[in-house]
Amino acid sequence: GAVVSQHPSRVICKSGTSVKIECRSLDFQATTMFWYRQFPKKSLMLMATSNEGSKATYEQGVEKDKFLINHASLTLSTLTVTSAHPEDSSFYICSAIAGGPEETQYFGPGTRLLVL
Amino acid sequence: AQTVTQSQPEMSVQEAETVTLSCTYDTSESDYYLFWYKQPPSRQMILVIRQEAYKQQNATENRFSVNFQKAAKSFSLKISDSQLGDAAMYFCAYRSSYNNNDMRFGAGTRLTVKP
Repeated sequence: GAVVSQHPSRVICKSGTSVKIECRSLDFQATTMFWYRQFPKKSLMLMATSNEGSKATYEQGVEKDKFLINHASLTLSTLTVTSAHPEDSSFYICSAIAGGPEETQYFGPGTRLLVL
Repeated sequence: AQTVTQSQPEMSVQEAETVTLSCTYDTSESDYYLFWYKQPPSRQMILVIRQEAYKQQNATENRFSVNFQKAAKSFSLKISDSQLGDAAMYFCAYRSSYNNNDMRFGAGTRLTVKP
């Protein structure tokens, strides 16, 4: 199957700093990328959907100014957690599809964020 | 809004035996896609199997098969000849065919495989 990478895999930062997480589709062009958040022993919660070259669509309750998403190219999307606080600590997962809803969604390995 | 329900938080199976994980969903759409994903301790989400709603035939991938009952809105996963490597969290997911953004996950079922 297709490969999606995320970087970094783990990050620890101080409260108040910003953290950027990269999501790349390595062997296909991703028309749409998704960002999820997963709490321990919980399911994936969709945060936002981004399409290349356009603004991300955020789910209800997700602060767009807090979680900045940029989908600058067909192979790269970034999630920036601005002014991170301990409650932002979580596991963040990105995924990507190459086309429409009929396409399989491939997931990155996730990024564990710990805000001290 | 579409919802996905996995009523079994945990399941256990003996190695080499068969286990079925349940999933039901709620939707008013007639065309959609259903998925089962596996999340091992590494937390990498791995696609196990997918089913297109317009297909009557149940999808099969080696030891994994589904029982798709469209009228009942049920989508169970059967794992045959269970292996230790099958131990993981399993998530059932629904995606609308009309809206790329609309993908919903169930709460997950933790599968334990006993040697």
